[in-house]
Amino acid sequence: AQKITQTQPGMFVQEKEAVTLDCTYDTSDPSYGLFWYKQPSSGEMIFLIYQGSYDQQNATEGRYSLNFQKARKSANLVISASQLGDSAMYFCAMREGRGDYKLSFGAGTTVTVRA
Amino acid sequence: DAGVIQSPRHEVTEMGQEVTLRCKPISGHNSLFWYRQTMMRGLELLIYFNNNVPIDDSGMPEDRFSAKMPNASFSTLKIQPSEPRDSAVYFCASSLRQHSYNEQFFGPGTRLTVL
Repeated sequence: AQKITQTQPGMFVQEKEAVTLDCTYDTSDPSYGLFWYKQPSSGEMIFLIYQGSYDQQNATEGRYSLNFQKARKSANLVISASQLGDSAMYFCAMREGRGDYKLSFGAGTTVTVRA
Repeated sequence: DAGVIQSPRHEVTEMGQEVTLRCKPISGHNSLFWYRQTMMRGLELLIYFNNNVPIDDSGMPEDRFSAKMPNASFSTLKIQPSEPRDSAVYFCASSLRQHSYNEQFFGPGTRLTVL
């Protein structure tokens, strides 16, 4: 079974508008962490934001925020005030447990920002 | 600060040849991960090390793949013999296994083409 599901293969957003990227996860472990990475066309993987399963508040990092709904097992990424440089592939990933630090990645969502 | 360094950045080889990919993690990091990215399968974890010891190699596709980490500052991923289906981007990532928030820092990747 897929641990991370990203149902949106591609999205278009107008510059300066906000965009929400969906991510649902599947785990029975009460301790887990959720990560979002950005992969621009140049290919590198850039860490954006992290949410721990016990964190009480939604994570924020500049224009990135994470809408964490634990009961629904979703961890959607919100990018506010989109910029042309936000055009990239975005990956949601999960770490399960306290002792295991490997990540499971979703299939990714391509975001294209239009001027 | 230098990030994760991978070499070569691009490798083109012929089927049957041995390929060695190299990685230098961020200084002080004690976990190292090898990933493979393809269009069909997305990002897959191949193997990861903690303190130079392989912890989980369940993602290694077959015996043709091997990975070593002789010291804290160097790791190799070897494919022998290579096959066209091994064509992919191979990423190395490192992290500091200290607490649950242990983001992985990715190298620029090696794009491997096996003809």
